[in-house]
Amino acid sequence: DQQVKQNSPSLSVQEGRISILNCDYTNSMFDYFLWYKKYPAEGPTFLISISSIKDKNEDGRFTVFLNKSAKHLSLHIVPSQPGDSAVYFCAATDRGSTLGRLYFGRGTQLTVWP
Amino acid sequence: ETGVTQTPRHLVMGMTNKKSLKCEQHLGHNAMYWYKQSAKKPLELMFVYSLEERVENNSVPSRFSPECPNSSHLFLHLHTLQPEDSALYLCASSQQVGTGDEKLFFGSGTQLSVL
Repeated sequence: DQQVKQNSPSLSVQEGRISILNCDYTNSMFDYFLWYKKYPAEGPTFLISISSIKDKNEDGRFTVFLNKSAKHLSLHIVPSQPGDSAVYFCAATDRGSTLGRLYFGRGTQLTVWP
Repeated sequence: ETGVTQTPRHLVMGMTNKKSLKCEQHLGHNAMYWYKQSAKKPLELMFVYSLEERVENNSVPSRFSPECPNSSHLFLHLHTLQPEDSALYLCASSQQVGTGDEKLFFGSGTQLSVL
């Protein structure tokens, strides 16, 4: 049973506009959420995270929003750039349970076109 | 070198072969992980080592055998694999398991094809 879901396998956005990537989770014990970005032939790299005590975390062009009641988080990229084209993975963990276990979604392929 | 290094980048093996994947981290981390990424599936955790001790074995078949000789090196020994084991195998490290800062640093992965 998949506990972290990214229901959109792909997203295409024009350069300069906003990209919104969505993620849903089912486990109410999750208290820490992360986004990773992956380019072809490279491993995923950490992008941004948010603790469940917050509902928003911002880092430059990237903002993550967390809606605990809906068990939903989203990653906003503003403005989008062609270099942002990559696969984005959402991940979640319950820091009080089994150590080091991150649950990943299947990823969303973002394409930013000029 | 910096970061997490995995070798080889690509591996093709037959079902009767024995091979090993190698991972080395240069970040001073105390925890290392093996993940598997199959096509159209989420990343699946296989093994976790914390301070060179295996703390999780996520119901992985015995044809996959991990080894962690020290906190900087991690191996995945493969034998009698099946074609469905073809996938991208990713190594990762983190500062320490259970710190509440579970940011993983990944290597570039080994793309494995089993014929």
